[in-house]
Amino acid sequence: LAKTTQPISMDSYEGQEVNITCSHNNIATNDYITWYQQFPSQGPRFIIQGYKTKVTNEVASLFIPADRKSSTLSLPRVSLSDTAVYYCLVGREGSTLGRLYFGRGTQLTVWP
Amino acid sequence: ETGVTQTPRHLVMGMTNKKSLKCEQHLGHNAMYWYKQSAKKPLELMFVYNFKEQTENNSVPSRFSPECPNSSHLFLHLHTLQPEDSALYLCASSQERDRGNYGYTFGSGTRLTVV
Repeated sequence: LAKTTQPISMDSYEGQEVNITCSHNNIATNDYITWYQQFPSQGPRFIIQGYKTKVTNEVASLFIPADRKSSTLSLPRVSLSDTAVYYCLVGREGSTLGRLYFGRGTQLTVWP
Repeated sequence: ETGVTQTPRHLVMGMTNKKSLKCEQHLGHNAMYWYKQSAKKPLELMFVYNFKEQTENNSVPSRFSPECPNSSHLFLHLHTLQPEDSALYLCASSQERDRGNYGYTFGSGTRLTVV
């Protein structure tokens, strides 16, 4: 399983765009990149998943460069409720049973 | 509500007690998982079930005993726990496809305190 590295914490203010970058230098050809959000005392919530280039949904965008050794989660115009831990995971497509291992994630704190 | 329901939400138990955690999903998923999240530590994968069969036990002590009677229900039986087992226990489910899984759905967890 490819190891991921992301900042331990980030701070932002309401209304700003937040970009969280994750490094995954050992990503394999059939690995997907997935991001989760976790609030205190709750389970992680799936945000977005991508393989290459750019993926966008109603919550966030995921930018993946051509070499796929990193990815950036972009949260547009954050609010106080976006304060949470964000996890970047790399999961293998076609595995016997996909199972995700979570690192420490990035604690995002949004200030008024 | 995520579609994965865990009960109870909070549990306090003594070291000699026996209790069970319950997880239920009605998403039609065929894989279920138990994770443990201790304070200031990453989520730790404990057990994996695929089509009711246990496919992974991540070196979990025998005082934790999982049970998966069907694809929709998952239990974690607890006995003679230690205070260091106090943590948030999370259940998750996913739909395994030929080309890998496409995201987990987690429950809200059970906050366990061992006294």
